[in-house]
Amino acid sequence: KAGVTQTPRYLIKTRGQQVTLSCSPISGHRSVSWYQQTPGQGLQFLFEYFSETQRNKGNFPGRFSGRQFSNSRSEMNVSTLELGDSALYLCASSLGTGVFGQFFGPGTRLTVL
Amino acid sequence: GESVGLHLPTLSVQEGDNSIINCAYSNSASDYFIWYKQESGKGPQFIIDIRSNMDKRQGQRVTVLLNKTVKHLSLQIAATQPGDSAVYFCAEASDTGRRALTFGSGTRLQVQP
Repeated sequence: KAGVTQTPRYLIKTRGQQVTLSCSPISGHRSVSWYQQTPGQGLQFLFEYFSETQRNKGNFPGRFSGRQFSNSRSEMNVSTLELGDSALYLCASSLGTGVFGQFFGPGTRLTVL
Repeated sequence: GESVGLHLPTLSVQEGDNSIINCAYSNSASDYFIWYKQESGKGPQFIIDIRSNMDKRQGQRVTVLLNKTVKHLSLQIAATQPGDSAVYFCAEASDTGRRALTFGSGTRLQVQP
């Protein structure tokens, strides 16, 4: 069974641009959660989607948004990029909503110049 | 806000020794705890979890201990191997895992051959 895949793995953008990251969950998993990992703030929860609906949201500004498609694949978008958005963005999938049985992908490394 | 923290940022052990990684949490409402291992370039990998109605749980070479009185969590790794070298995170969730994970800052485990 294939694991969680994230594309692209690396991305370089400049301030003010926007970016879209993609996450394909493990087959059969319906929940996708997104996390931001930085050296200063560590791992922080962004949001969770289940059955195409946002079920939970962390404390991030509205520039961070996401969506989930009917095949459970998810995208997150960051608009008006800031230098502080440079981070490893991780997604995790699970069968049901919540934190049980979450499997993480390898992440997308975003660098904002 | 409430957060999970770690006592030691770096732990160096000899191959074959036992390792103990500690974690303090501040949210007394937390009822579910997980330990993750993160190797360079990879996403967090689930190691072991424990619910608040337990004080000890064992896996393969790993044991998690939970002391709710002092809000302390530890991960014990028996016969530490070079492949155990990684960053270890504790994470907690409340409301029976329906909420998002709050991660600690991580401890780097270095195994000396």
